[in-house]
Amino acid sequence: QKEVEQNSGPLSVPEGAIASLNCTYSDRGSQSFFWYRQYSGKSPELIMSIYSNGDKEDGRFTAQLNKASQYVSLLIRDSQPSDSATYLCAVSSGSARQLTFGSGTQLTVLP
Amino acid sequence: DADVTQTPRNRITKTGKRIMLECSQTKGHDRMYWYRQDPGLGLRLIYYSFDVKDINKGEISDGYSVSRQAQAKFSLSLESAIPNQTALYFCATDTGMGTEAFFGQGTRLTVV
Repeated sequence: QKEVEQNSGPLSVPEGAIASLNCTYSDRGSQSFFWYRQYSGKSPELIMSIYSNGDKEDGRFTAQLNKASQYVSLLIRDSQPSDSATYLCAVSSGSARQLTFGSGTQLTVLP
Repeated sequence: DADVTQTPRNRITKTGKRIMLECSQTKGHDRMYWYRQDPGLGLRLIYYSFDVKDINKGEISDGYSVSRQAQAKFSLSLESAIPNQTALYFCATDTGMGTEAFFGQGTRLTVV
């Protein structure tokens, strides 16, 4: 059973809308949580990290973490066509704090 | 210059050939990883190394081997390439302190 699950998508939203990306994880002891953006054929780039329960905002991006529900989400406000990419959720867990990646959600923002 | 550098960036090779993908990093991190990415399958871990003397298999290590030549260098070999190893390969590093991973630019490998 995969340890990090993402809604597989693809997800399409109109320009200017809010895009909501979700991720659940199985290891209750997980410590760190990351969202990466990956354009087609390019390497993943970190856009958000979150370590404690609640919301963390950075510009148009908000990460939300709920450790009790083992759930982490990414909201993208005022979505732009340039946000069209695959978004990878990654979770650090275990004594080795090794990262496990979800399979990604493909987001398309329609002009 | 990139902090994590992969060579080559693109490679076409024939079935049965041995090929090596190289990764070097200037982050000073002890931990290095090799991932494979196929469309729709996310990143799958091939091998990882937590220091120069430590090598561990990931979820899809069959058909691959690695060498950690130094703290900064971690190479991935395909002993006898086959077409279903055609994929995008990424090297990554992290600190082991629960912070993010840093990725190389990727190597697009095609086995014909």
